[in-house]
Amino acid sequence: QQQVKQSPQSLIVQKGGISIINCAYENTAFDYFPWYQQFPGKGPALLIAIRPDVSEKKEGRFTISFNKSAKQFSLHIMDSQPGDSATYFCAAGYSNYQLIWGAGTKLIIKP
Amino acid sequence: DAGVTQSPTHLIKTRGQQVTLRCSPISGHKSVSWYQQVLGQGPQFIFQYYEKEERGRGNFPDRFSARQFPNYSSELNVNALLLGDSALYLCASSAAGGTADTQYFGPGTRLTVL
Repeated sequence: QQQVKQSPQSLIVQKGGISIINCAYENTAFDYFPWYQQFPGKGPALLIAIRPDVSEKKEGRFTISFNKSAKQFSLHIMDSQPGDSATYFCAAGYSNYQLIWGAGTKLIIKP
Repeated sequence: DAGVTQSPTHLIKTRGQQVTLRCSPISGHKSVSWYQQVLGQGPQFIFQYYEKEERGRGNFPDRFSARQFPNYSSELNVNALLLGDSALYLCASSAAGGTADTQYFGPGTRLTVL
């Protein structure tokens, strides 16, 4: 129940395309769903986050879609750029502060 | 403003030794969390401290301990090192430590146990 399952493990997208990464969770007590971006040799950086009372949140080229009934959420990167090449992690948290992380998706944007 | 800083950057130890990792949070932040990130995996929560009190602990053995100082900096200690402790140790700071508080991560300390 504590797991967050992330797919795919790796993803190659052409420049200008849409990158889509999916996550699924089991624990319905989770109430905070962030996405983090990590470049090699760096710590993760928060990209965008959503609460379960909202079905979609958009910030620039990044959009989270949230399906509470299916217990799934996804990250869409529109107009993907080579600079977006990084590892992306979804996570889920609840009122006791702890984030449970997915295993990560290595995204490569081909120029 | 300076971000989260961690020291050292890299560390090589042998099995059975002890190690201390250090973290300075963003100025004004009172909460520090520690995570272990094994290569190819997502970070795993180890500890969170808020106002110098341990607020929570992940599923790690008692060989792992931490503390937070009055200036909100923190140390993570690992005793009796095992090969499996080799990982990137990440420190994250947040204003108050609530789930919805954005956690800002440092660059990490890469620990290699030989």
